[in-house]
Amino acid sequence: DAGVIQSPRHEVTEMGQEVTLRCKPISGHNSLFWYRQTMMRGLELLIYFNNNVPIDDSGMPEDRFSAKMPNASFSTLKIQPSEPRDSAVYFCASSSARDYGYTFGSGTRLTVV
Amino acid sequence: KQEVTQIPAALSVPEGENLVLNCSFTDSAIYNLQWFRQDPGKGLTSLLLIQSSQREQTSGRLNASLDKSSGRSTLYIAASQPGDSATYLCAVSNPGTYKYIFGTGTRLKVLA
Repeated sequence: DAGVIQSPRHEVTEMGQEVTLRCKPISGHNSLFWYRQTMMRGLELLIYFNNNVPIDDSGMPEDRFSAKMPNASFSTLKIQPSEPRDSAVYFCASSSARDYGYTFGSGTRLTVV
Repeated sequence: KQEVTQIPAALSVPEGENLVLNCSFTDSAIYNLQWFRQDPGKGLTSLLLIQSSQREQTSGRLNASLDKSSGRSTLYIAASQPGDSATYLCAVSNPGTYKYIFGTGTRLKVLA
């Protein structure tokens, strides 16, 4: 298995632009999680899905953030419009009902200038 | 609300030393506890997962223990090597939810 795949690895964008981050979970995993990591706040859970349904989006910072999971093999996290304070590393993780352990992707490093 | 604390925040040891990293959590009714390693600029790699019914898990030179009643877990690294240098994160999940809450990590440096 190729693991959890995130794209792009790096994204540099100007303030006000729309940013879309992508994630492909491990095949057979039924839960998917989006985290944001910064030096100041560590790892923060933004939203998670179970069987493609959003379960908890209480960590989504503002209406500028949205996430979708149209099918079991793909999820997107969108920021529109982006702001410099959104600069962070965004991680996607997936887990299975077998043991609920996480497997993380390599992350997307977002810089908003 | 579950909170996870890791002490120390940073640790520097000479090669070959055995060491212990600590993790504490406020709500003892956990479902799972997982230890991760993160290298600078990289993603998180799962090291060990302990389910609530288990007391410990071992993988190579790593041993993780869990004491639910006291809200604590330790990660023991035997015969440390420079390649063990990384940040180690502890995370817990509670029953009825699939999500993990993370500690802020312990940054380990093993000196050659």
